[in-house]
Amino acid sequence: DSGVTQTPKHLITATGQRVTLRCSPRSGDLSVYWYQQSLDQGLQFLIQYYNGEERAKGNILERFSAQQFPDLHSELNLSSLELGDSALYFCASSALADSYNEQFFGPGTRLTVL
Amino acid sequence: ELKVEQNPLFLSMQEGKNYTIYCNYSTTSDRLYWYRQDPGKSLESLFVLLSNGAVKQEGRLMASLDTKARLSTLHITAAVHDLSATYFCAVDFTFNNDMRFGAGTRLTVKP
Repeated sequence: DSGVTQTPKHLITATGQRVTLRCSPRSGDLSVYWYQQSLDQGLQFLIQYYNGEERAKGNILERFSAQQFPDLHSELNLSSLELGDSALYFCASSALADSYNEQFFGPGTRLTVL
Repeated sequence: ELKVEQNPLFLSMQEGKNYTIYCNYSTTSDRLYWYRQDPGKSLESLFVLLSNGAVKQEGRLMASLDTKARLSTLHITAAVHDLSATYFCAVDFTFNNDMRFGAGTRLTVKP
């Protein structure tokens, strides 16, 4: 158990809908990262937040957004969902801002878009 | 273009044998990571390599980084069944804070 929690574990929804995935980092970690894993595109880095501020941005679509709250939990919002958004979404946390730190991954949320 | 290439993508080994997984990347970086993923599970961090010539070892796994050659290796010594998993390398491209993953190497260790 990494200490990173993600809810929900599974999510099934329809095209065009909007969903929110939630992540709670390990106690004391200030950075949260979001990743997408799909058969088509493999593992992709989406976005990083550090202490409430966006720190780095990867391959995140405009339909996706994220935020980190004062209690350091983070939410990833996915809107206007398409079939191709079906994937495993992982969050990870680390102690500090930069990626020199080891990241600890949550169990993931499996999103299925029908 | 930012690219990370892993090879081989599939690796079937006998227990007790040695093998190396390679990770090449396309442009400047001094931060490279290796992760392990078991089927249906999340990722587990194995190594963080932060400088040219960095070498780290944990049990039967050893990782190294050559930033001049833009190459990292993950060496497996005397493989055991418990090492069966998918191994990913990931590179942090310094100039834009983007992180890119390799496609993964699915390792199967047979008795």
